[in-house]
Amino acid sequence: EDKVVQSPLSLVVHEGDTVTLNCSYEVTNFRSLLWYKQEKKAPTFLFMLTSSGIEKKSGRLSSILDKKELFSILNITATQTGDSAIYLCAPASSGAQKLVFGQGTRLTINP
Amino acid sequence: NAGVTQTPKFQVLKTGQSMTLQCAQDMNHEYMSWYRQDPGMGLRLIHYSVGAGITDQGEVPNGYNVSRSTTEDFPLRLLSAAPSQTSVYFCASSYSFGEGREQFFGPGTRLTVL
Repeated sequence: EDKVVQSPLSLVVHEGDTVTLNCSYEVTNFRSLLWYKQEKKAPTFLFMLTSSGIEKKSGRLSSILDKKELFSILNITATQTGDSAIYLCAPASSGAQKLVFGQGTRLTINP
Repeated sequence: NAGVTQTPKFQVLKTGQSMTLQCAQDMNHEYMSWYRQDPGMGLRLIHYSVGAGITDQGEVPNGYNVSRSTTEDFPLRLLSAAPSQTSVYFCASSYSFGEGREQFFGPGTRLTVL
């Protein structure tokens, strides 16, 4: 059975801190891993990772995938209150043609 | 482009009623899917479609039906609503699935079953 575990489930930090969000997975026929940010409504896309060890960056956010150890991390540096959201990771299973979502990490940035 | 649209935004049903949640996309995407999101449980796949006329079940399909008669539309039908179906429903689409493409999400429908 496909399994995705995100940790921590909830995190509260002060503005300016750096945070690391974790995602471990077990999916059949792994194809890629996607990260999404969800504020009040629909998830919005952050990154898609397909290769191990290659960091993807977008501003203060970065992410990396380890296909041998089956995990990914999402880093956010110099956090801002606008980073408060639920962060979802979702490995894609090409055989089953689906994304398998983790429970999400609820990140709260206090000013 | 409107992207992925969903109607209605909110709905309240009584147990046993049926209804259809509408989803449409104008990006000519082949792949469409329905998820439900419950507190603390992330997004769970209900049904998906890899093209017009082709649908398949996700991890929580019971109590839901889908059809895909056109590329643009992918309605989700609740046959006989139950309180356990109270949730937020998201429709998503992507160009294809084979390369693990990004899925674009609609704004969601918040459904309450009394």
